[in-house]
Amino acid sequence: QKEVEQNSGPLSVPEGAIASLNCTYSDRGSQSFFWYRQYSGKSPELIMFIYSNGDKEDGRFTAQLNKASQYVSLLIRDSQPSDSATYLCAVNNYGQNFVFGPGTRLSVLP
Amino acid sequence: DGGITQSPKYLFRKEGQNVTLSCEQNLNHDAMYWYRQDPGQGLRLIYYSQIVNDFQKGDIAEGYSVSREKKESFPLTVTSAQKNPTAFYLCASSIFSGSRTDTQYFGPGTRLTVL
Repeated sequence: QKEVEQNSGPLSVPEGAIASLNCTYSDRGSQSFFWYRQYSGKSPELIMFIYSNGDKEDGRFTAQLNKASQYVSLLIRDSQPSDSATYLCAVNNYGQNFVFGPGTRLSVLP
Repeated sequence: DGGITQSPKYLFRKEGQNVTLSCEQNLNHDAMYWYRQDPGQGLRLIYYSQIVNDFQKGDIAEGYSVSREKKESFPLTVTSAQKNPTAFYLCASSIFSGSRTDTQYFGPGTRLTVL
């Protein structure tokens, strides 16, 4: 059974701080890693994906991947109250279906 | 304006009734997916289709049925055999090239409530 694990939270950070969201996965064959943001009552929207070890930056967001440790993270710099949402980690292996984690609820406090 | 549409936004079902959720996409994506999300839970795959006239069961297919007669459309029927259908249903689509960058995009969702 392929599993993706995330701390359910809530993770609370003050406005302007760095939020760090973590995700571990069980399938060593996993190739691509995706972060989605889901506001309450809404559908998930893609933030970014990563497939090479190391860091990938997109604006205030940085995804970090360590395949040896089977670990992927998402850093949100200068967190804003509008970043308060649930963040879903998803893992994919070539041509196979996505496996989603349960999500981490982030709360950014003004 | 490209995207994925789902209808209705809210749906109420009586006991023993079948209901159909609509999903349409104009992104020219090959693959389409149906997920179920329960409060505080992640996404669970119900059915998926990678090509017209073909579809596969996901992890929780019992009590659901689908069809894929057109590339753009992938309706989901929640049958009376699904004993606990109250949930948020999400349709997604993606290019299916076998590439690491194949990404799933989601529709706005349908919230189904059993009365």
